[in-house]
Amino acid sequence: GENVEQHPSTLSVQEGDSAVIKCTYSDSASNYFPWYKQELGKRPQLIIDIRSNVGEKKDQRIAVTLNKTAKHFSLHITETQPEDSAVYFCAASRVGGSYIPTFGRGTSLIVHP
Amino acid sequence: DGGITQSPKYLFRKEGQNVTLSCEQNLNHDAMYWYRQDPGQGLRLIYYSQIVNDFQKGDIAEGYSVSREKKESFPLTVTSAQKNPTAFYLCASSMGPGGYGYTFGSGTRLTVV
Repeated sequence: GENVEQHPSTLSVQEGDSAVIKCTYSDSASNYFPWYKQELGKRPQLIIDIRSNVGEKKDQRIAVTLNKTAKHFSLHITETQPEDSAVYFCAASRVGGSYIPTFGRGTSLIVHP
Repeated sequence: DGGITQSPKYLFRKEGQNVTLSCEQNLNHDAMYWYRQDPGQGLRLIYYSQIVNDFQKGDIAEGYSVSREKKESFPLTVTSAQKNPTAFYLCASSMGPGGYGYTFGSGTRLTVV
């Protein structure tokens, strides 16, 4: 089955800095990679996703990059703000098949004002 | 509440009791999932259902049971056989297999007293 490794488990940055969270996956057939943000005590919410037919996707201050050859994908947050503080989860899956997404263990991002 | 509702928000269970967590969605999603979340362990899959009257065990199904009699509902029972049930439980649904369009509920925090 699929295995997703996520690093780091904790990331502490100063407001205005950039933050990068990396995930690796094992199944080369995975083709859909979403990222979720979970604020304390709340539900995870999708913030950005990427399919395997593109290498990068941006949405304002967040971007995701995908390297299919190396089987890793990363979340980039620029100009971090205190409200970016949360746990971020990556996942890998196959759209269109009977596959259950495999989640990484999460990264706790702390943005210091 | 985002189309998927979990209740109650907080639940207390005495030793030896079974308790049932509710999950209802009005998104017309075929697939529904239950996850357990513990600090530092990410999201662990308990059970999932991709169609009414059918469900499959996830990675940590022991001590839990589910039913899927209606498309909108996927209740989770935490039985007395679950030795360490204190955790945050998340229900999710998706429009199809593969996790595309994943939506999470707001969670139920279960505490054994």
